[in-house]
Amino acid sequence: GENVGLHLPTLSVQEGDNSIINCAYSNSASDYFIWYKQESGKGPQFIIDIRSNMDKRQGQRVTVLLNKTVKHLSLQIAATQPGDSAVYFCAETSNAGGTSYGKLTFGQGTILTVHP
Amino acid sequence: DSGVTQTPKHLITATGQRVTLRCSPRSGDLSVYWYQQSLDQGLQFLIQYYNGEERAKGNILERFSAQQFPDLHSELNLSSLELGDSALYFCASSVGGAPNEKLFFGSGTQLSVL
Repeated sequence: GENVGLHLPTLSVQEGDNSIINCAYSNSASDYFIWYKQESGKGPQFIIDIRSNMDKRQGQRVTVLLNKTVKHLSLQIAATQPGDSAVYFCAETSNAGGTSYGKLTFGQGTILTVHP
Repeated sequence: DSGVTQTPKHLITATGQRVTLRCSPRSGDLSVYWYQQSLDQGLQFLIQYYNGEERAKGNILERFSAQQFPDLHSELNLSSLELGDSALYFCASSVGGAPNEKLFFGSGTQLSVL
């Protein structure tokens, strides 16, 4: 069945270090991937997205890498700050229609803790 | 602030009861989504509405129902509540409801069934 999962449930880094959060997916029909950040007491907040016709996309301090061959997605955060501490979710969906249309499938999440 | 408003923030009720969760989407957004977040299941898609019509259905129980009104706000009705229904329920909205659109999430309603 469709599944989006994360390799590491927790990640602790020092302020200023780079962070890498990984995600595996199994639905080969997935063509749109998103990273969300969820802080305590808040809803998920969009960070960055990538479509399947790309393998890399950069934002402000964040980079998403997509490897369709091994169905792997990663989020890189440069110069991690204490304010980056949160749970990070990868999510995927397909624009192909059918039963997956409109359904965003989330991974289980990785807890990122940034130590000052 | 995402612009999506959910009420109430917290809800405590008993098994067997019925509750209604309310969501107001961002101004201009036509599509509303409901998600359930629990420790063991993570974020699970429940249902999506677009401009008043059901667009997609996920893992929504038959005891649960939703609707989107002409003013585009949405309600999620949970009935015959069980202990396992305790979770954080999120509403999200997007402009047109296509799968590759950004979703903007509200702060959620924490439901506790005792």
